[in-house]
Amino acid sequence: LAKTTQPISMDSYEGQEVNITCSHNNIATNDYITWYQQFPSQGPRFIIQGYKTKVTNEVASLFIPADRKSSTLSLPRVSLSDTAVYYCLVGRSNDYKLSFGAGTTVTVRA
Amino acid sequence: DAGITQSPRYKITETGRQVTLMCHQTWSHSYMFWYRQDLGHGLRLIYYSAAADITDKGEVPDGYVVSRSKTENFPLTLESATRSQTSVYFCASSMWDRGRKETQYFGPGTRLLVL
Repeated sequence: LAKTTQPISMDSYEGQEVNITCSHNNIATNDYITWYQQFPSQGPRFIIQGYKTKVTNEVASLFIPADRKSSTLSLPRVSLSDTAVYYCLVGRSNDYKLSFGAGTTVTVRA
Repeated sequence: DAGITQSPRYKITETGRQVTLMCHQTWSHSYMFWYRQDLGHGLRLIYYSAAADITDKGEVPDGYVVSRSKTENFPLTLESATRSQTSVYFCASSMWDRGRKETQYFGPGTRLLVL
């Protein structure tokens, strides 16, 4: 499993864009990049997944440069309800073991 | 559509007692997982199962036992609970999806306190 490094915490204000960068220098050719979100007292929830370039869904965007050694999760116009821990995971499609690091605690203030 | 449920949601037990945490999913997902989450350690995989009657160890399996007689159920047993097993336990399930990384769906968690 590729090791990932992401900031421990980030603060933001309502309406701002939040960008969380994850480093994964030893990502393998067959690895995907997946982000999960966890609210207090709940289990993690899938947000977005990508392999290369850019992926966008109704919740977030994921930017992956050509070398794939990092990725950036972008949360547009955050609200108080986006306060959560965000985890970056890297792994192959046939490897069901996920490795969760400490994640990034995002705190959105009014 | 219940999805994935865990019971009990909260449990207090004493050192040395046997405790079983239940996990049930309604999607017929082939894969199921048990994690524990502790401050400073994030989520760590305890055991996982690829199908009924197929289980394998994760990162921290010592002190735990699992079984999977039916696809929808994946109970986790602490045979002799210790204080170090005080934690929040999450069950998850996923299905194989060709061509992409599968998504894991997590239950609401069980908070276990071992006195």
